[in-house]
Amino acid sequence: QVTLKESGPGILKPSQTLSLTCSFSGFSLSTSGMGVGWIRQPSGKGLEWLAHIWWDDDKYYNPSLKSQLTISKDTSRNQVFLKITSVDTADTATYYCARRADSSGAMDYWGQGTSVTVSS
Amino acid sequence: DIQMTQTTSSLSASLGDRVTISCSASQGISNYLNWYQQKPDGTVKLLIYYTSSLHSGVPSRFSGSGSGTDYSLTISNLEPEDIATYYCQQYSKLPWTFGGGTKLEIK
Repeated sequence: QVTLKESGPGILKPSQTLSLTCSFSGFSLSTSGMGVGWIRQPSGKGLEWLAHIWWDDDKYYNPSLKSQLTISKDTSRNQVFLKITSVDTADTATYYCARRADSSGAMDYWGQGTSVTVSS
Repeated sequence: DIQMTQTTSSLSASLGDRVTISCSASQGISNYLNWYQQKPDGTVKLLIYYTSSLHSGVPSRFSGSGSGTDYSLTISNLEPEDIATYYCQQYSKLPWTFGGGTKLEIK
């Protein structure tokens, strides 16, 4: 059974760094073709893909945010991390992590999301 | 970036209806198109991948079709649990992008 769960600080102030963790089970990031990514959704708005990391440590970033994003993984602990530097109120959103298997090309399992508020 | 457009932002239908949700890409995406369902509690699930392949465990009343720049998701025999917002997503080119969503309500 594949499960993913996001965790984060809940609230932080503008200019701080947002650190998010995705803890997963039911698959391994050492498996060829496997990957995990991050997607966010401001309240009442649509989904925005942020970043993705593959089993071989290849990384993809959304160019609109690339300078602020760092994605990494700890394969032994089944965790993927996302850091967003210099946040502002526009980064207030629910952040989701999702598995993507190369075989389907789709984000086939998603976490429940974690809400992040940026406020002074 | 490839823009994904779902021109219908909300849709009202009756139980048992056949519903079609459309999605258009700003350029050809070679069938690299997925559909997701987001329930009111925020839960997101994959329904369809690569235009028309049904994800494991998804009811057969969901189907997808399309080619080039135009794609659609069809729900036959609408059921109460289908109340949700539906998003298309392309993975032809980075960055992967989503449509704005179509919210489905029951009449």
